[in-house]
Amino acid sequence: GAVVSQHPSWVICKSGTSVKIECRSLDFQATTMFWYRQFPKQSLMLMATSNEGSKATYEQGVEKDKFLINHASLTLSTLTVTSAHPEDSSFYICSAKGMVESSTGELFFGEGSRLTVL
Amino acid sequence: GDSVTQMEGPVTLSEEAFLTINCTYTATGYPSLFWYVQYPGEGLQLLLKATKADDKGSNKGFEATYRKETTSFHLEKGSVQVSDSAVYFCALTVNTGGFKTIFGAGTRLFVKA
Repeated sequence: GAVVSQHPSWVICKSGTSVKIECRSLDFQATTMFWYRQFPKQSLMLMATSNEGSKATYEQGVEKDKFLINHASLTLSTLTVTSAHPEDSSFYICSAKGMVESSTGELFFGEGSRLTVL
Repeated sequence: GDSVTQMEGPVTLSEEAFLTINCTYTATGYPSLFWYVQYPGEGLQLLLKATKADDKGSNKGFEATYRKETTSFHLEKGSVQVSDSAVYFCALTVNTGGFKTIFGAGTRLFVKA
């Protein structure tokens, strides 16, 4: 099946620094990638949708200058948390949708990246 | 608007018990329905899906039937195992000029030996 990989799985950083999380589709071309944030014991909150080669579409209330998303190729999207603060600590999950499964909308998820900002 | 409602957890069961997690939805058009599972510390993975009314999705002993008349997609398993302990998310996807996925709040399942 389709595999999506996130890196890093865990990251700890100091307040004020920037952190980049990568999301790769390993065996398919992802036309669209999604970034979610998940707080403890809560559901996923969609942050933004990115299509290869175009600007990401951010959900209401998500700061696009804070959470920079780049979808430079059909297999890679990156989320950069700029000037991170403790309140940005969370579990970030990406998902991808490939062309084959577009008819049903099935999503393939990465393993998630836990960010802790000290 | 489109939405997914699933039963609140946590749900605690003994091994080999019968599991039902209720899920109902509201949607315009004809959504595809999914159950995703999230094991501790991991991302989500697809458990099963159904793309049209009366379809039954099944995987790893879990089943769910797309019921258009009751707008439901309840998850069931006849005999749960400790390894089934996880959070289960019901979701729907609609295509309104672009796919949009809506997740339920998630139901945490604990299975004790």
